[in-house]
Amino acid sequence: KNEVEQSPQNLTAQEGEFITINCSYSVGISALHWLQQHPGGGIVSLFMLSSGKKKHGRLIATINIQEKHSSLHITASHPRDSAVYICAVRNAGGTSYGKLTFGQGTILTVHP
Amino acid sequence: EAGVTQFPSHSVIEKGQTVTLRCDPISGHDNLYWYRRVMGKEIKFLLHFVKESKQDESGMPNNRFLAERTGGTYSTLKVQPAELEDSGVYFCASSQGPEKTSGNTIYFGEGSWLTVV
Repeated sequence: KNEVEQSPQNLTAQEGEFITINCSYSVGISALHWLQQHPGGGIVSLFMLSSGKKKHGRLIATINIQEKHSSLHITASHPRDSAVYICAVRNAGGTSYGKLTFGQGTILTVHP
Repeated sequence: EAGVTQFPSHSVIEKGQTVTLRCDPISGHDNLYWYRRVMGKEIKFLLHFVKESKQDESGMPNNRFLAERTGGTYSTLKVQPAELEDSGVYFCASSQGPEKTSGNTIYFGEGSWLTVV
């Protein structure tokens, strides 16, 4: 079992739908990242969280440290949101900021 | 401002050959990271440079992999000799230092796709 588990692995939605991607982890962490990768493209950092909630445009990320769980929400989804969304955590006490443990990713497809 | 750039974007080599991947971080970024995703698996951390020094190389799979960052600017990751299981996407990322500063964004490159046949 991976230290970072995402669900669902695949998600198909219609344009305009509200989308939630979940991430659970089994270790103590100091930060959690949500990343986005478009097909054939590089990885973009969407959020870095250590507590609470962050919002950027139509994207909202929340984290519950006690429950070791984070969610990424997309409101009013659009076909351009189609991408792989990756959750990654930095273990607590780690000395390397970028030493991340990654989830397997969630493939999101939004149809027009 | 240029982002993190990686070269080559795609490479196909035969088992036993050598491949060198290059990463140019964002100018001024002291921290440089290498990761890789092999087929069907999650991305894994390989190592971390602070300037020219290896801060953490705990993720390097074996001694066929050699990473360098001479002069603290660009980095190379050499695989010698390459094996079939080395096929995957190798990502490089960079961030500003020092790492104790909270909120440092990590910027990723587009990856180097390596196929060993």
